[in-house]
Amino acid sequence: EDQVTQSPEALRLQEGESSSLNCSYTVSGLRGLFWYRQDPGKGPEFLFTLYSAGEEKEKERLKATLTKKESFLHITAPKPEDSATYLCAVQTSGGSYIPTFGRGTSLIVHP
Amino acid sequence: GAGVSQSPRYKVAKRGQDVALRCDPISGHVSLFWYQQALGQGPEFLTYFQNEAQLDKSGLPSDRFFAERPEGSVSTLKIQRTQQEDSAVYLCASSLVLGEANTGELFFGEGSRLTVL
Repeated sequence: EDQVTQSPEALRLQEGESSSLNCSYTVSGLRGLFWYRQDPGKGPEFLFTLYSAGEEKEKERLKATLTKKESFLHITAPKPEDSATYLCAVQTSGGSYIPTFGRGTSLIVHP
Repeated sequence: GAGVSQSPRYKVAKRGQDVALRCDPISGHVSLFWYQQALGQGPEFLTYFQNEAQLDKSGLPSDRFFAERPEGSVSTLKIQRTQQEDSAVYLCASSLVLGEANTGELFFGEGSRLTVL
């Protein structure tokens, strides 16, 4: 069974304090790993897709990286508006391709 | 509209009532998904449609849950005889296709929050 584990469950940072969120996965064959951002009361919003180990994607203060067992979402010099829940999801090859989500990391950035 | 639209945004039901949640996907999107998200949890897959065909319903928790997409556009998730454990946010998402040609990007609606008393 595909498993996606995110850590930490919650993270509090001061504005400007860089950090990383982790997503570890156990799947039969990874086709893609996705990062989403979810604001309170909203649906998840797509950020990145990573397909193979060594791949990196960047968007503003966010950078996502992928290894054979895990992905990191690096947040550089975060701002209060980066506060949200960050969700990781995996899509497996040879199967239904339906994304399986982790429980998310709740990030709060204090000014 | 430009995005995925869900209604109602909030629904309060008494235990045992039936509810219907509507999803209007982005025009032209072939794939439609329903997910259930409990408080503090990630989205859990319920069911998937490609056009009007329900290709996967393995995530539906019981036979009280039923989904349809009769014309390959709007979808309805119906929950019969609601129970307290059904309280959650029900998220609908759509995408152009699913499979090798898909980037993995799902477009989510804002969800329907169901509270069963």
